[in-house]
Amino acid sequence: DAGVIQSPRHEVTEMGQEVTLRCKPISGHNSLFWYRQTMMRGLELLIYFNNNVPIDDSGMPEDRFSAKMPNASFSTLKIQPSEPRDSAVYFCASSGTGHSGNTIYFGEGSWLTVV
Amino acid sequence: EDQVTQSPEALRLQEGESSSLNCSYTVSGLRGLFWYRQDPGKGPEFLFTLYSAGEEKEKERLKATLTKKESFLHITAPKPEDSATYLCAVQAGASSASKIIFGSGTRLSIRP
Repeated sequence: DAGVIQSPRHEVTEMGQEVTLRCKPISGHNSLFWYRQTMMRGLELLIYFNNNVPIDDSGMPEDRFSAKMPNASFSTLKIQPSEPRDSAVYFCASSGTGHSGNTIYFGEGSWLTVV
Repeated sequence: EDQVTQSPEALRLQEGESSSLNCSYTVSGLRGLFWYRQDPGKGPEFLFTLYSAGEEKEKERLKATLTKKESFLHITAPKPEDSATYLCAVQAGASSASKIIFGSGTRLSIRP
């Protein structure tokens, strides 16, 4: 089984540029999560979707961040305009029902550096 | 507010020296508690899910236990390859679509 697939794996961009991170969840999973990880704050939940619908976006830091899930197999996290303090690893994760219950499975992350 | 606290922040052990990592939580209506392992440069890798107090799960040198207030990850006779950050997470609430929140992790280092 393919796991959660994220792209790009690494991105370096200049302050003020738009950044789009992409995620393909595990096939059949109906929940998708975006997390941000930094040394200072650990893993923070930004937003999560259930059946393609945003359920809780209270973790989205500000209006510069937006996320979409147009269908069950694709999601994007966009930052516009980007700032140096957005530098972090962004993880996408998904979970389903059935034997795995609510266990979430992570992608390998998108390493973002804003200079 | 739901909260997950892990201790210690870092732990250095000699190979073969058994120990335990702690995850304490305050949530309303626990649906599940999860343990993950994270290696540098990688995403968290799922280890265990525990659903109710008294439950235990084992995998190789690791055993996870759960009470109403905390969970322990016991590591028996660890090896250097067990070095990683171990993350605890909880899901709480009435819905299976409730969010999952993570603790800050324990960095485990095993010396040969």
